[in-house]
Amino acid sequence: DTAVSQTPKYLVTQMGNDKSIKCEQNLGHDTMYWYKQDSKKFLKIMFSYNNKELIINETVPNRFSPKSPDKAHLNLHINSLELGDSAVYFCASSQHSTGELFFGEGSRLTVL
Amino acid sequence: GENVEQHPSTLSVQEGDSAVIKCTYSDSASNYFPWYKQELGKGPQLIIDIRSNVGEKKDQRIAVTLNKTAKHFSLHITETQPEDSAVYFCAASLNNAGNMLTFGGGTRLMVKP
Repeated sequence: DTAVSQTPKYLVTQMGNDKSIKCEQNLGHDTMYWYKQDSKKFLKIMFSYNNKELIINETVPNRFSPKSPDKAHLNLHINSLELGDSAVYFCASSQHSTGELFFGEGSRLTVL
Repeated sequence: GENVEQHPSTLSVQEGDSAVIKCTYSDSASNYFPWYKQELGKGPQLIIDIRSNVGEKKDQRIAVTLNKTAKHFSLHITETQPEDSAVYFCAASLNNAGNMLTFGGGTRLMVKP
C-alpha cells in the first residue's frame, strides 16, 4: 500500500493551461504539504495545511492553490501555467506539523 | 528566515569507504535537523534526525553530528554500499515543524562498486 500517492506522475502541458495534481495519504495524518523541486534539486515548501490552518510560502504565486476535500487529500491546482512552473512537485504528510514528513513519489510537470 | 547550505553537491566514493556530507544553517533558533535520502524517481525519505540537545546520533552505518556553536551538522556514512547511492538532503527547522523545514541544496552520492 502506498502511503502517500500522487497523480499524475507525469504531466506535459502548454503554457497558459490550468492543471491539477492530486494527492492522497492513507497514514491518518492530519497535516499535508506541497513541495516544489526544481531542476537543480532544490526542495522548497509551497503550502502546509491541516484542518485548522493553511500556511502559504509567501514566494508562491497566487496562481497556485491547494484544495483539500478532506484531511486525507490535498490537491494542487495551478492556473495559467508558465514555463518556470516546470518542476517536480512532491506531496507530503505528517502527524501534526511536528512529525516526520512522508513524501509521495512526485509529479513531474513540464510546461511547453 | 533560515538558510541551509550543503556541501559537496556531488560526492563519489569507492564501495566500503566513508562518506561525509556537511551542512551549515543560519538561524541559531533552529533546533531540529533531519536528513532525507532521495532515490531515483522516488520522494525523499527520512533516514536520521538530531535535535539540538544532543551532539551526535548513530544508527547502524549512519551517524549525524551537530555543532550548535558553529551552526553546522554533518552526515557520516561508513562502509558505503552501492545502494547508498542517492541524493541526500539536510534540513533545519524550529521545533521539528514540517511546515518550517528549510532544505539544503542536496548532495548526489555515488558509490562505485
